[in-house]
Amino acid sequence: GESVGLHLPTLSVQEGDNSIINCAYSNSASDYFIWYKQESGKGPQFIIDIRSNMDKRQGQRVTVLLNKTVKHLSLQIAATQPGDSAVYFCAESPNDYKLSFGAGTTVTVRA
Amino acid sequence: NAGVTQTPKFQVLKTGQSMTLQCAQDMNHEYMSWYRQDPGMGLRLIHYSVGAGITDQGEVPNGYNVSRSTTEDFPLRLLSAAPSQTSVYFCASTSGGAREAFFGQGTRLTVV
Repeated sequence: GESVGLHLPTLSVQEGDNSIINCAYSNSASDYFIWYKQESGKGPQFIIDIRSNMDKRQGQRVTVLLNKTVKHLSLQIAATQPGDSAVYFCAESPNDYKLSFGAGTTVTVRA
Repeated sequence: NAGVTQTPKFQVLKTGQSMTLQCAQDMNHEYMSWYRQDPGMGLRLIHYSVGAGITDQGEVPNGYNVSRSTTEDFPLRLLSAAPSQTSVYFCASTSGGAREAFFGQGTRLTVV
């Protein structure tokens, strides 16, 4: 079936370095692709999204890249901080009311 | 604003018991949804609603019922709890376009 998945379940990053979290998707019909962050004991929190007709979108310290040719989505976090330690989920939005999530990548920031 | 509020935060049920997980939002969002999160897996959609009086099934609806009598509330009912329903449940709401959803803090349910 069609799904959204992540390449690696864990990522360890030195504080101050840049992080890159990857995701592969298979549903080319989705209008939007989204990244969520989930801190321990909390619900997911929206980070950034990208529409399917775009290649790149930048936010505050984050950049999302979409490569439709290879069905790849990535989230780049600049100057990773301890507060960035969390589980990151990519998701796709096939319509206005549904989100389909991948399994998540746990990011640990080393001091 | 409180955002999305879920109650209870923790619950232990015996197999066969029924219960209702409560979800309320104060953002006047049209869309609300319920997800379950199991270890090693992403969130899976159980049921969703696009407005008061309108609900529909998601990926994993079996064993759960929902109703949406008001814009603010979207309760999830477990009819006869089973150990396979042990999970963390999240309620979410969005104003338009599911991509920017606001999630509650979750309800951790254990069925023994």
